[in-house]
Amino acid sequence: GAVVSQHPSWVICKSGTSVKIECRSLDFQATTMFWYRQFPKQSLMLMATSNEGSKATYEQGVEKDKFLINHASLTLSTLTVTSAHPEDSSFYICSAAPGPEAFFGQGTRLTVV
Amino acid sequence: AQSVTQPDIHITVSEGASLELRCNYSYGATPYLFWYVQSPGQGLQLLLKYFSGDTLVQGIKGFEAEFKRSQSSFNLRKPSVHWSDAAEYFCAVGANFGNEKLTFGTGTRLTIIP
Repeated sequence: GAVVSQHPSWVICKSGTSVKIECRSLDFQATTMFWYRQFPKQSLMLMATSNEGSKATYEQGVEKDKFLINHASLTLSTLTVTSAHPEDSSFYICSAAPGPEAFFGQGTRLTVV
Repeated sequence: AQSVTQPDIHITVSEGASLELRCNYSYGATPYLFWYVQSPGQGLQLLLKYFSGDTLVQGIKGFEAEFKRSQSSFNLRKPSVHWSDAAEYFCAVGANFGNEKLTFGTGTRLTIIP
């Protein structure tokens, strides 16, 4: 199957700093990627749809100024958590789909202290 | 709007016993249906998927699922569980034209006892 690589796997940052998470499709081109957030022992909630060459589409309730998404190439989307606070601590997962089936990155555990 | 319900938050079964995890969906058109498994702190691994055709689909690790349109269900089954099956299981639904966002159920945590 297709491979989606996410980096870093985990990150700890200080409150007020920004963190960038990368999502790469390694063996296919992805005009669309998706960013999900997962709180402990909860399901995945879609945050935004990343569109190559255009603005991301955010789900209702997601702050676009806090969660900056850039999809500058057909194989890379980045999620930047700006001015992170402890409540932003979560598990972030990206996905991309070369066809009907979505492939997920390994996830990034963000801890804000 | 599409939605997925997994009625069982937590299930405990004995190793070697059979397993069925329930999933009901709500979708206005023919859905794409998926089951994913997630180990603690890990990403999601696809177990199986249903797009069309035979309503009984086989997946990896001995899992299977049956699509029942009349019941809007896509239950996951395994005849004999192994200790390594302990994980979180998510049912998801997507649009039937591909490359669309997925809507996930709340997940079922599976515990295996010796």
